[in-house]
Amino acid sequence: KAGVTQTPRYLIKTRGQQVTLSCSPISGHRSVSWYQQTPGQGLQFLFEYFSETQRNKGNFPGRFSGRQFSNSRSEMNVSTLELGDSALYLCASSLGGIDNEKLFFGSGTQLSVL
Amino acid sequence: EDKVVQSPLSLVVHEGDTVTLNCSYEVTNFRSLLWYKQEKKAPTFLFMLTSSGIEKKSGRLSSILDKKELFSILNITATQTGDSAIYLCAYTWGSNYKLTFGKGTLLTVNP
Repeated sequence: KAGVTQTPRYLIKTRGQQVTLSCSPISGHRSVSWYQQTPGQGLQFLFEYFSETQRNKGNFPGRFSGRQFSNSRSEMNVSTLELGDSALYLCASSLGGIDNEKLFFGSGTQLSVL
Repeated sequence: EDKVVQSPLSLVVHEGDTVTLNCSYEVTNFRSLLWYKQEKKAPTFLFMLTSSGIEKKSGRLSSILDKKELFSILNITATQTGDSAIYLCAYTWGSNYKLTFGKGTLLTVNP
């Protein structure tokens, strides 16, 4: 069974640009979550989607948005990039039921904002 | 403010040593405590604990939760160089679907 796939693996952008990251969950998983990881703040929750609906959102500004498609694939978008957005963005999938806490993570997208 | 604190922040041991990693949390309406291992980029699931006092075990790794004192420990016996990683703990609460992570413990196992 293929794992969680995130693309691209690396991205370099400049301030003010926008970026879209993609995540394909494990087959059969209906829940997709996004996390931001930085050395100072650790792993922080961005949002979680289940059956194309956002069920939870973290404490991030509105520049961070996401969506989920009918095949459970998900994208997240960051508009008007700031230097502080440089981070590893991790996507995780789960079945979405009572085992929703058991997240399976992708290898992430390393975003650098210059 | 709800939070989770891991200690120590980093640890260096020799192969064969036993290590204990700590995770304390403060949250209302606690649901579960999870441990993950992050070697390069993708954290991998180790344990999920919901009941106090029941040890979960997988090979040389084991974990236990104390819901009264609000902490969990992760034990690794007979450490190997392949155990070198960041160990993350996280909790869930209420009926929501997010994990709140600690900053992690960086474990280095030297040969």
